Amino acid sequence: DQQVKQNSPSLSVQEGRISILNCDYTNSMFDYFLWYKKYPAEGPTFLISISSIKDKNEDGRFTVFLNKSAKHLSLHIVPSQPGDSAVYFCAASAISNDMRFGAGTRLTVKP
Amino acid sequence: NAGVTQTPKFQVLKTGQSMTLQCAQDMNHEYMSWYRQDPGMGLRLIHYSVGAGITDQGEVPNGYNVSRSTTEDFPLRLLSAAPSQTSVYFCASTKTSGSSYEQYFGPGTRLTVT
Repeated sequence: DQQVKQNSPSLSVQEGRISILNCDYTNSMFDYFLWYKKYPAEGPTFLISISSIKDKNEDGRFTVFLNKSAKHLSLHIVPSQPGDSAVYFCAASAISNDMRFGAGTRLTVKP
Repeated sequence: NAGVTQTPKFQVLKTGQSMTLQCAQDMNHEYMSWYRQDPGMGLRLIHYSVGAGITDQGEVPNGYNVSRSTTEDFPLRLLSAAPSQTSVYFCASTKTSGSSYEQYFGPGTRLTVT
């Protein structure tokens, strides 16, 4: 039972344009959402998070949007840079430290 | 400040062998957890700990044991390895701040069971 889904396995964008990565979830008890970035042969790196009491959180080039009624969140990267090329995971938690992850989206930013 | 360290980086086991994957953090975090990542899947939680002496099961705990005798260390034990346990294992340490938290991951251990 996959409670967190990233339906796009890959995404390719041009440098300087916006990257939008999407994530859907099924468990309405999730109250905290996170995005991670992962390079090959490394552990995931925390990017940005959002609590269910908010609908938007920004950190530099990264913005996460949460639509609770649709059980959907998205990560916007503006402007996209070649160094952003990686696999991005979304994750959700109903209680602290019991995290469920999506399968990941591989982002390629072309120069 | 080394963050989260994991040893070994690579390991090959034969079916039925046992081993312990080591994980340590130097950030004084109470929460630690173990995940496995398989091709085409996200990370799945195996076990977690909310403090020394306290552990709990995650999504896929079968075949694994954990203990937490100190804040710093959280080893994961495979009692009798099976080919289905071939995976990449990540340990994580969680910083909590009010209602928010951030997880820091180790570099991973790539395990192959033949």
